[in-house]
Amino acid sequence: DVQLVESGGGLVRPGGSLRLSCAASGFNFSTYWMSWFRQAPGKGLEWVANIKQDGSEKNYVNSVKGRFTLSRDNAKNSLYLQMNSLRVDDSAVYYCVREIAARWWGQGTLVTVSS
Amino acid sequence: DVVMTQSPLSLPVTLGQPASISCRSSQSLVDSDGKTYLNWFHQRPGQSPRRLIYKVSNRDSGVPDRFSGSGSGTDFTLKISRVEAEDVGVYYCMQPTLWPPITFGQGTRLEIK
Repeated sequence: DVQLVESGGGLVRPGGSLRLSCAASGFNFSTYWMSWFRQAPGKGLEWVANIKQDGSEKNYVNSVKGRFTLSRDNAKNSLYLQMNSLRVDDSAVYYCVREIAARWWGQGTLVTVSS
Repeated sequence: DVVMTQSPLSLPVTLGQPASISCRSSQSLVDSDGKTYLNWFHQRPGQSPRRLIYKVSNRDSGVPDRFSGSGSGTDFTLKISRVEAEDVGVYYCMQPTLWPPITFGQGTRLEIK
């Protein structure tokens, strides 16, 4: 079975940093685009970023460009999202998602940015 | 960016009755390969989204056949033939055709009358 398990969320002050991780299992991780989506409390779904199979291409939503960095380690079947200069409006549940068409989602990890 | 517009945003339905959600895109979602990439998701309270439909009309494995998707170009519809209690939650359309960014509709909240 496909499993995506996120970790690394928590409470952080505005301007702070967090690193989210996603451990993947049950499929050949190195052959899929991987993405992060997020959902602010009570709001809709938003795509954040995605990364090509070999890490050679990365795309970001405009609101996080220059602050978030996406990476992957295919040897460890892991996806990472380094989030710097966090803002209050980055507060959300962050989901690790397999492939661009978003077939499989993790359970999410909550990021709260607050003073 | 492609803007996805869903209607209605709130959908009260009686158990056993049909339901229909519309999704319109600001640009055609026909890709250069001739295929149309439009997906539907369902999110129950407190749960992760679950994909129901991909490429307009293809049901994912395990999705009941009471769910169906249709449409073309810029106009798409998700239909539930007979609503069951487990169908409550929020439904989203999503386009992974013209990206970045991948964009979603605002969501349609289905509730039981």
